[in-house]
Amino acid sequence: KAGVTQTPRYLIKTRGQQVTLSCSPISGHRSVSWYQQTPGQGLQFLFEYFSETQRNKGNFPGRFSGRQFSNSRSEMNVSTLELGDSALYLCASSLPNDNTGELFFGEGSRLTVL
Amino acid sequence: GENVEQHPSTLSVQEGDSAVIKCTYSDSASNYFPWYKQELGKGPQLIIDIRSNVGEKKDQRIAVTLNKTAKHFSLHITETQPEDSAVYFCAAMGGGSYIPTFGRGTSLIVHP
Repeated sequence: KAGVTQTPRYLIKTRGQQVTLSCSPISGHRSVSWYQQTPGQGLQFLFEYFSETQRNKGNFPGRFSGRQFSNSRSEMNVSTLELGDSALYLCASSLPNDNTGELFFGEGSRLTVL
Repeated sequence: GENVEQHPSTLSVQEGDSAVIKCTYSDSASNYFPWYKQELGKGPQLIIDIRSNVGEKKDQRIAVTLNKTAKHFSLHITETQPEDSAVYFCAAMGGGSYIPTFGRGTSLIVHP
């Protein structure tokens, strides 16, 4: 069974630009979550999507947005990039309402903002 | 909301030693406590978890303990090996939420 796939793996942008990251979950997983990972802050929850609807949202500004498609694939977008947005963005999929709570993470998209 | 504190942030041990990572949580409604291991260049992967109706769980060289009263839970790795070197994250979840709150991570370095 293929794992969670994230693209692109690495990207460099400049301040003010926008970026779109993509995530393909494990087949059959309908819940997709996004996390921002930085050295000092660990894993910060961005948002979670289920059945094309945002079900949960973390404490990030409106510049961070996402969506989920009917095939469960998800994208996140960051507009007006700031230097502080440099991070590893991780996508995780899971079975919806799975009481084991296990998240299956992709390898991440490393964003550098110059 | 839930708050998870994790210590230490860095842990350096010799091969064969034991390693212990400790976490505390704030929300008494949390009832599921997973631990994730993140190797260099990879995403985190679940290695062990424990539920609030259990005090301890073991899986070969790793074990997790939970003290609900004190809101503490810990990861114990015995006979550490160089391949145990990674970043470990604890998390807490529950109270009707399916979103885990993660600690800030512990970088474990096992010296051969």
